[in-house]
Amino acid sequence: AQSVTQLDSQVPVFEEAPVELRCNYSSSVSVYLFWYVQYPNQGLQLLLKYLSGSTLVESINGFEAEFNKSQTSFHLRKPSVHISDTAEYFCAVVRSGGYQKVTFGTGTKLQVIP
Amino acid sequence: DTGVSQNPRHKITKRGQNVTFRCDPISEHNRLYWYRQTLGQGPEFLTYFQNEAQLEKSRLLSDRFSAERPKGSFSTLEIQRTEQGDSAMYLCASSLGPALETQYFGPGTRLLVL
Repeated sequence: AQSVTQLDSQVPVFEEAPVELRCNYSSSVSVYLFWYVQYPNQGLQLLLKYLSGSTLVESINGFEAEFNKSQTSFHLRKPSVHISDTAEYFCAVVRSGGYQKVTFGTGTKLQVIP
Repeated sequence: DTGVSQNPRHKITKRGQNVTFRCDPISEHNRLYWYRQTLGQGPEFLTYFQNEAQLEKSRLLSDRFSAERPKGSFSTLEIQRTEQGDSAMYLCASSLGPALETQYFGPGTRLLVL
């Protein structure tokens, strides 16, 4: 079975400051890794995903995440946040080669302070 | 592409009543998933369909819960004899193809059992 740990339930950060949202996973098999974002009163949306290849993946709105197999981590970073980034972010894992039972972390609420 | 839709968006019911939720996936997606999200937690997998076949059910899905996807298009999730612990957001997602493919989430149905 897979599991995901997001240790930070809330992360406040000033606008234009950098941010890192931490995600660690546990799995005995290879996995795919995802970050989903949930804006207030909206459904979950895929932010970025790691399937294979380059360990650094990027989203269209400036977020990036790096897959680190040795540390079993997939931390999400952004060098300069905007007010519009205020949302809840969920890290998720799927067992590769199987169907798509997604295991989510408990989420991190990013609050961007003007 | 109108996205995944769910109805109703909100449901308040009394303990012991039955409720049914509907999910309409993106039209060409053959895979459909149900998740439950409680306050402060990430979404938890409930069940999964490939076309009309229900391929896996979580242990979270007690015998009071039943899901169907009769024609491989829309799906319904029924909860019989609701309990206060059933209060949660029920999320539906759909995808096209295997584990590499992104799951697209609907806005969810928020259930409150009084």
